[in-house]
Amino acid sequence: QVQLVQSGTEVKKPGASVKVSCKVSGHTLTEVGLHWVRQAPGKGLEWMGGSDPEDGERLFAQEFRGRVTMTEDTSSDTAYMELSSLRSEDTATYYCAIFGIRPYYFNVDVWGQGTTVTVSS
Amino acid sequence: DIQMTQSPSSLSASVGDRVTITCRASQGIGNYLAWYQQKPGKVPKLLMYGASTLMSGVPSRFSGAGFGTDFTLSISSLQPEDVATYYCQKYNRAPLTFGGGTKVEIK
Repeated sequence: QVQLVQSGTEVKKPGASVKVSCKVSGHTLTEVGLHWVRQAPGKGLEWMGGSDPEDGERLFAQEFRGRVTMTEDTSSDTAYMELSSLRSEDTATYYCAIFGIRPYYFNVDVWGQGTTVTVSS
Repeated sequence: DIQMTQSPSSLSASVGDRVTITCRASQGIGNYLAWYQQKPGKVPKLLMYGASTLMSGVPSRFSGAGFGTDFTLSISSLQPEDVATYYCQKYNRAPLTFGGGTKVEIK
């Protein structure tokens, strides 16, 4: 049974960076297409980027290019999402989610519990 | 980039009613469309992918249809536990954009 466990709540000041972790269990990180999605309070889902489960290509949303870094530690099956130059609009719950176990999309539906990031001076 | 537009943004219907939500892509995406359900305070749950393939365990009152640019999610007989916000998502290629969401309530 594949599961995702995320790091805890973060409070950051504008201009700072935040790094959220997401540990995979039940499969290795290289076997899954792991993505990051955020949701501002009272707002909809916003896809940030991730790994295409079909071919492993790294995919990014244009609005986050240059500010987001997605890395993986395959030795611990932990993925990281770092967002820099934080502003108040980045206040949101950040989710990691598996969009598929390679090489298919949506053969599983697994989400982390979410990490709340608050950006406030 | 392809935009995903959902309508309506919210709806209120009676228990037992048939409910239909529309998702429109600004360009054709084949059948590379997924639907999610998000209940208040919960993580999203994948209902279906490939426009119409239900995930295991999803009640058969949910159905999906469409290809290209126009897609629908239908609930044949609305139940109280279906109160949620529903999102479509394209996944043919990046960006894997979500629609704006449709909030479904009981009248």
